[in-house]
Amino acid sequence: AQTVTQSQPEMSVQEAETVTLSCTYDTSESDYYLFWYKQPPSRQMILVIRQEAYKQQNATENRFSVNFQKAAKSFSLKISDSQLGDAAMYFCAYAGSNFGNEKLTFGTGTRLTIIP
Amino acid sequence: EAGVAQSPRYKIIEKRQSVAFWCNPISGHATLYWYQQILGQGPKLLIQFQNNGVVDDSQLPKDRFSAERLKGVDSTLKIQPAKLEDSAVYLCASSLTPGMNTEAFFGQGTRLTVV
Repeated sequence: AQTVTQSQPEMSVQEAETVTLSCTYDTSESDYYLFWYKQPPSRQMILVIRQEAYKQQNATENRFSVNFQKAAKSFSLKISDSQLGDAAMYFCAYAGSNFGNEKLTFGTGTRLTIIP
Repeated sequence: EAGVAQSPRYKIIEKRQSVAFWCNPISGHATLYWYQQILGQGPKLLIQFQNNGVVDDSQLPKDRFSAERLKGVDSTLKIQPAKLEDSAVYLCASSLTPGMNTEAFFGQGTRLTVV
């Protein structure tokens, strides 16, 4: 079974600074997907960024980028120029690539606080 | 386009009572998921539907939980009888096709408190 580990229950960063959230995972599959989701107090999970395991290039979405280290099974999220609206719970998630194995397996989350 | 709709937003019941949650996925989305998110944890899949068929219900406590997706559109999740440990947020998500080639969109969830 796949597992996802987030070792930082809470992180804080000054507004406009950069912060990195850590995630490690365990799988025996060679092809899969990794995600970072944001969950504000409204509870709705919002996709921040995704990475296909077969792609060596790290994904980027505006101020959000990942550092994907497949051999180390590491998938960290970097948020640049942090904004007050970035404050939320952040979940790392894994999904398989085969039919019937697409369910998202989530980590326990990191609560990010932005300091004005 | 309209997002994933869930109701109710909040529900408080006593243990041993029954409760039902409703989800209306994004129009045209074939795949529907129900997740349970206990406080302080990440969401955990309860059941996955592809149209009106079940793809994965391996983590659904079938002695008390049931779910259906009639006509492959709306879905309901029921708990009967509820236990204290069922207190959680129940999230519904949908995607256009199975597989992570397409994004899964989440609703705002139903917060259930069992007292």
